[in-house]
Amino acid sequence: GEDVEQSLFLSVREGDSSVINCTYTDSSSTYLYWYKQEPGAGLQLLTYIFSNMDMKQDQRLTVLLNKKDKHLSLRIADTQTGDSAIYFCAAYTGRRALTFGSGTRLQVQP
Amino acid sequence: NAGVTQTPKFRVLKTGQSMTLLCAQDMNHEYMYWYRQDPGMGLRLIHYSVGEGTTAKGEVPDGYNVSRLKKQNFLLGLESAAPSQTSVYFCASSPGGGYTFGSGTRLTVV
Repeated sequence: GEDVEQSLFLSVREGDSSVINCTYTDSSSTYLYWYKQEPGAGLQLLTYIFSNMDMKQDQRLTVLLNKKDKHLSLRIADTQTGDSAIYFCAAYTGRRALTFGSGTRLQVQP
Repeated sequence: NAGVTQTPKFRVLKTGQSMTLLCAQDMNHEYMYWYRQDPGMGLRLIHYSVGEGTTAKGEVPDGYNVSRLKKQNFLLGLESAAPSQTSVYFCASSPGGGYTFGSGTRLTVV
């Protein structure tokens, strides 16, 4: 089945850009998602990209998809302390349900 | 518009006790899911449903049962709770794409 991997931790300074990386194994993944989880809360959908796209930009968020390497990244421009959270990558193959990575904790230093 | 509502938000059970977690959605979504979240392990799919009256096993179904008698509700049951079921449980619903998550139920089994 699908396997989704993420690094566990990223620390950046306020105002810098953050780049969170994700790899997946199933080349038939059709949609790839980024979710944000703040402490004590559920997961909130940030953005998604369809597999026939290379890039998607949404305000401060840029998603890059490299299908050949099965690599997905989320770039947050001008990172703020309010961006501190856990970010989950998820892949959908249409067969069952989303498969989530283990999450990347983003810490933003003032 | 409430979205996805989970009850209860917190619960402490003794080993061997039973309980039911309730998930309700008001978005007329066909698909509903139960995940558990454990530190460092991301979200793991317990059971899911592709429509009223249907259920299917996910990645970690043992020790849990589910029912979807009404389209808007998805119930997760623990018949005989074990300490290994201490976790945060998330329900999600989907029209067939990105998920909307509830805020979670924190369950501790002692």
